[in-house]
Amino acid sequence: GAGVSQTPSNKVTEKGKYVELRCDPISGHTALYWYRQSLGQGPEFLIYFQGTGAADDSGLPNDRFFAVRPEGSVSTLKIQRTERGDSAVYLCASSLRSGGATDTQYFGPGTRLTVL
Amino acid sequence: GDSVTQMEGPVTLSEEAFLTINCTYTATGYPSLFWYVQYPGEGLQLLLKATKADDKGSNKGFEATYRKETTSFHLEKGSVQVSDSAVYFCALRNSGNTPLVFGKGTRLSVIA
Repeated sequence: GAGVSQTPSNKVTEKGKYVELRCDPISGHTALYWYRQSLGQGPEFLIYFQGTGAADDSGLPNDRFFAVRPEGSVSTLKIQRTERGDSAVYLCASSLRSGGATDTQYFGPGTRLTVL
Repeated sequence: GDSVTQMEGPVTLSEEAFLTINCTYTATGYPSLFWYVQYPGEGLQLLLKATKADDKGSNKGFEATYRKETTSFHLEKGSVQVSDSAVYFCALRNSGNTPLVFGKGTRLSVIA
């Protein structure tokens, strides 16, 4: 079946603008994760959803970042007043369920965000 | 907090050479350990995993053994191919509803 998809694949914006990044998880996966990968670094956790609710948003760097998953499937990561330091690849992952350390997370191809 | 340290890259090997990428971790509790691979232009893919001490994960000729006594999960392959060129990430996930914690990644280039 289809994997995790993310749109857009690339987004270039200007400092101060608002952006939305979309993630479509694998059908039936209840857990959804957002990570951010800066150049030369490993992915860093941002937020995790179990169903419609954000179960852990401790990785969001500040209140300019917000994410929703209103119907428990598609999720949107929203960044207000973008800054150049927000430039990174934003990764989405989903897993069948959460709570199990062994659950495999399947990653999307990422959205490369560039803030000029 | 939990953390993963893996060897700095880039690593350049000739085809058929032996590969080791070192990974050590710091974690409370008993984490599950993972190796993810990112091929050029593609997303992260799970390569292998191990969920408890002394477990060996293996896939596509790669192996890694969960060593609790040395808190390590080194990735090995006996004979690398050009198609193995990629960035490899070691990661852990602790029990409960916790996210993956990744190392910085190691870029492997295999030349013919």
